[in-house]
Amino acid sequence: AQKVTQAQTEISVVEKEDVTLDCVYETRDTTYYLFWYKQPPSGELVFLIRRNSFDEQNEISGRYSWNFQKSTSSFNFTITASQVVDSAVYFCALSEAYNTDKLIFGTGTRLQVFP
Amino acid sequence: DTGVSQDPRHKITKRGQNVTFRCDPISEHNRLYWYRQTLGQGPEFLTYFQNEAQLEKSRLLSDRFSAERPKGSFSTLEIQRTEQGDSAMYLCASSPGLAGGLGTGELFFGEGSRLTVL
Repeated sequence: AQKVTQAQTEISVVEKEDVTLDCVYETRDTTYYLFWYKQPPSGELVFLIRRNSFDEQNEISGRYSWNFQKSTSSFNFTITASQVVDSAVYFCALSEAYNTDKLIFGTGTRLQVFP
Repeated sequence: DTGVSQDPRHKITKRGQNVTFRCDPISEHNRLYWYRQTLGQGPEFLTYFQNEAQLEKSRLLSDRFSAERPKGSFSTLEIQRTEQGDSAMYLCASSPGLAGGLGTGELFFGEGSRLTVL
């Protein structure tokens, strides 16, 4: 069975600190996709990134970076120089190759960035 | 902005009543999804449509739940004889899909319809 674990329920940091959100997944598939979504207080989930299981290159987008390691089944998300606007719940998700839109979400990590 | 819109945003009902939620996806998106999110949890997949065809239903979707997308545009999710356990946020999302019927995983979510069953 597929499963996504986000062990960190809540993280609090002060602005400008770096923060890493952990994600560990389980799947028996050899082809799969990993995602991160952001859910701000307004409630609307926002897509951040998709990664397929064959692409282990780390990715950087502005202050955001992602570290995918198949050996440890992890897909961690780092925010550099955090800002108050980064405060949100962040979800890691997994999907099978046959239906990339059918996402299995973790329980989320609530990030609070204080000024 | 023509994002995904959901109506109503909040619904309070008594146990045993029927409720219906509506979702208007982004107009050019042919895929539409319903997810359910309870407090402190991530969204859980309920069902999805490709155009007007309902292609998959989760085991979470009991017989009291029915979803339709009659003309491949908006969708409705009806819950009959509501129970307190149905209290949750019901999220709708859409995506453009890819050629060959594949998805991208980049879902565009609405703000959700929060259901409270008393």
